[in-house]
Amino acid sequence: LAKTTQPISMDSYEGQEVNITCSHNNIATNDYITWYQQFPSQGPRFIIQGYKTKVTNEVASLFIPADRKSSTLSLPRVSLSDTAVYYCLVGDPPWGSASKIIFGSGTRLSIRP
Amino acid sequence: GAVVSQHPSRVICKSGTSVKIECRSLDFQATTMFWYRQFPKQSLMLMATSNEGSKATYEQGVEKDKFLINHASLTLSTLTVTSAHPEDSSFYICSARDEYGGVGNEQFFGPGTRLTVL
Repeated sequence: LAKTTQPISMDSYEGQEVNITCSHNNIATNDYITWYQQFPSQGPRFIIQGYKTKVTNEVASLFIPADRKSSTLSLPRVSLSDTAVYYCLVGDPPWGSASKIIFGSGTRLSIRP
Repeated sequence: GAVVSQHPSRVICKSGTSVKIECRSLDFQATTMFWYRQFPKQSLMLMATSNEGSKATYEQGVEKDKFLINHASLTLSTLTVTSAHPEDSSFYICSARDEYGGVGNEQFFGPGTRLTVL
């Protein structure tokens, strides 16, 4: 399983765009990149997943360069409710696999008024 | 998305007693579920992989006789903390993969169970 490295914490203000970068130098060819969000005393919630280039959904965008050794989660116009811990995960192929997810340290994002 | 529930949401017990935590996939079947433990201000730590109809696979350092896992059906896995001690107090989270309808490598997580051992 590829190891990931993220900043321990980040601060920003409401209305700003927040970019959280994750390094995964040992990512394997078949690995996907997935981001989860966790609020205190709750289970993690899936945000976005990608394999290469750019993926966008209603919540966030995920940018993955050609070498796939890093990825950036972009949260547009954050609000106070985006204060949470964000985990970058790199894992095995999705199809029918029972592969486990190993969580890294995550990034604690704090949004201020 | 798919829903995973846990019961109870919080439990307080005396030292030496056993506590059972249930994890259910509500609208999908899961042959594999996962159990995590999370201490305050720390990341989730994978404890074991629960396999329907067979023995669980435990991560290194996790006592299988202390944390009993039973995955008796495709929608239910249970974690029993036996002879609980204060150091077992933690937030326990389960997850399951919707292998036939999920998106990619997505796993769905339960809301967690807060265990406090007095």
